[in-house]
Amino acid sequence: QKEVEQNSGPLSVPEGAIASLNCTYSDRGSQSFFWYRQYSGKSPELIMSIYSNGDKEDGRFTAQLNKASQYVSLLIRDSQPSDSATYLCAVKVGYQKVTFGTGTKLQVIP
Amino acid sequence: DVKVTQSSRYLVKRTGEKVFLECVQDMDHENMFWYRQDPGLGLRLIYFSYDVKMKEKGDIPEGYSVSREKKERFSLILESASTNQTSMYLCASRTPGTHLYEQYFGPGTRLTVT
Repeated sequence: QKEVEQNSGPLSVPEGAIASLNCTYSDRGSQSFFWYRQYSGKSPELIMSIYSNGDKEDGRFTAQLNKASQYVSLLIRDSQPSDSATYLCAVKVGYQKVTFGTGTKLQVIP
Repeated sequence: DVKVTQSSRYLVKRTGEKVFLECVQDMDHENMFWYRQDPGLGLRLIYFSYDVKMKEKGDIPEGYSVSREKKERFSLILESASTNQTSMYLCASRTPGTHLYEQYFGPGTRLTVT
């Protein structure tokens, strides 16, 4: 089992809709979770971090964490074509290491 | 804003050459990382450094070495480049601490070994 799993997609949503991206992780001791956005040919950009169970909102983005079920999700409200990118889930595993999922490609259709 | 820069955006080298990739950060971060990113495999950690002259192997250190002589600079060295090292190389830095594990990435170096 991979440490961090994401559906590779592509996930296609119409402009203005809510995009829901999901990630599961295997290490129950994980405490820090991150979402990165990566445009094609560019480097990952941190958009959200979450440490506690529940929801964390930042503008159009909401990160949701459920440690009991070992999943973390990212909701993007009012999706825009500029949100089209690959979204990487990352989980802090152990003392120093952060493990990344392989990413979900999101396409927002105008 | 955190600024992480990498010496080259694109690099083409021949098999057997020694290759140096440089990374510089301007936020006084103690921790720095080198990853490679390949389609379908995601980001994989090569080496990281938690302080000057300190380094630790990541998941795929074979064929690579690193150098951290100054806090702001972390170099990745391919001792003898091979075609299977063709990849996107990403440097990252972050502040240490039990909570703040947010990493900030440089623009990446796309290395092609022919």
